[in-house]
Order: sequence, then structure tokens, then C-alpha cells
Amino acid sequence: DARVTQTPRHKVTEMGQEVTMRCQPILGHNTVFWYRQTMMQGLELLAYFRNRAPLDDSGMPKDRFSAEMPDATLATLKIQPSEPRDSAVYFCASGRGGTDTQYFGPGTRLTVL
Amino acid sequence: DAKTTQPPSMDCAEGRAANLPCNHSTISGNEYVYWYRQIHSQGPQYIIHGLKNNETNEMASLIITEDRKSSTLILPHATLRDTAVYYCIVRVANSGGSNYKLTFGKGTLLTVNP
Repeated sequence: DARVTQTPRHKVTEMGQEVTMRCQPILGHNTVFWYRQTMMQGLELLAYFRNRAPLDDSGMPKDRFSAEMPDATLATLKIQPSEPRDSAVYFCASGRGGTDTQYFGPGTRLTVL
Repeated sequence: DAKTTQPPSMDCAEGRAANLPCNHSTISGNEYVYWYRQIHSQGPQYIIHGLKNNETNEMASLIITEDRKSSTLILPHATLRDTAVYYCIVRVANSGGSNYKLTFGKGTLLTVNP
């Protein structure tokens, strides 16, 4: 059963530290999404890629967040420096684009102290 | 993308049908209706989607009104494991373009009671 995998599942760090979250999309999927979920804001789209190229990162704070796809099997979301307000669950999802279903990973729960 | 309106919460007895409504009165002709759900502490899960006709799969049925301004997700025999937040989303159907976004609202918390 193909699944999106995310690492780490949990991360606790101190303010100012760099955080890197990783996502392995389902093999053959060419579209990757990063979402953030908080109690206050709900699920927000941060960025998405198609064929490894960024299509839209307008939901992402540019000064501290960056998202990349070094290859088709790995997507990364980096926060540097991290702040307490970045505490959230970060989800990665993949799909084949268009009207195709998005398949979500289990999420990375980030706590910034 | 068109906005949707859903009740914040609903209850359902185990074994009964759960009918979750969604209003999308400003939906455009080229927008699909999608349903996802999120069980506590998990990532969202796709349920079903449709454009005009009613749809059914192994998880649920989707009934879209003729004017497409509202829809209902039906879980025919709800179980305790169906307790989750259910999101109704409308999205442009643009398979050849770049609009792949899903915009999640607050959804409906469905609680299935024993």
C-alpha cells in the first residue's frame, strides 16, 4: 500500500534553531504539497511543486521558510531560524496533479520552545 | 475557488447513515466538489469527488443538487472509526494547468456515538 512518508514525526527544538522536515512522495506522483495545521488557522497550504519545480509558495513566510525537491523522491521544508509561532503540524501530500486525489502523510509535529 | 459552508458539528448513531451537508452557492461550472476527512492526529484522507452527477465509492456517496449549489456526503452505515472532521472543498478542474490547490475550511466534526 503506497504511502507518503514524513520524517521526523515529532520535533522539539529551541527558538533560533534550524529545522528540516522531509517528505517522500508516493512513487510516480509528480506533485508535492506542504501544508501547516494549527488550531487557530486550520490547514494552510504553504507551497507546492510539480515535476520538482515550485509552482506556488505564496503561503510560505519567505524570510525564514524554504522548500525544495532535490530529487523526485524527496521534498524538504526548512525553517531557519525557527520561532515559537512556527509550532504546528506540517503535512506533506502528493498526487499526480490536475484533479487527482492528494494523498497526505502522517505529519511532523513541530514544537518550538 | 468557491467558498463552502458546513455546520461545525454533527452527531450520528453508530450503524445509522450520516448525512453531511455542504453549501457552495457560488460554485462555477468548472469546479468539482471534493470531500476529505481528517481523523484525529492523522493527515487528511480523500473520500470522494464529483462534478454534476451523484457519485458512489466504497467509502461514501456524494449527492449534488441539480443547480450544484449544495451537496451531501452520505456515509451509509457510520462506525465509531468514522468520527472525524469532514471537509467539503470546491476546486477548479484544470488537469492541464497549474491549479492543484485544495483550500480547506473548518469542516464539520462528525461524532459517531455508540
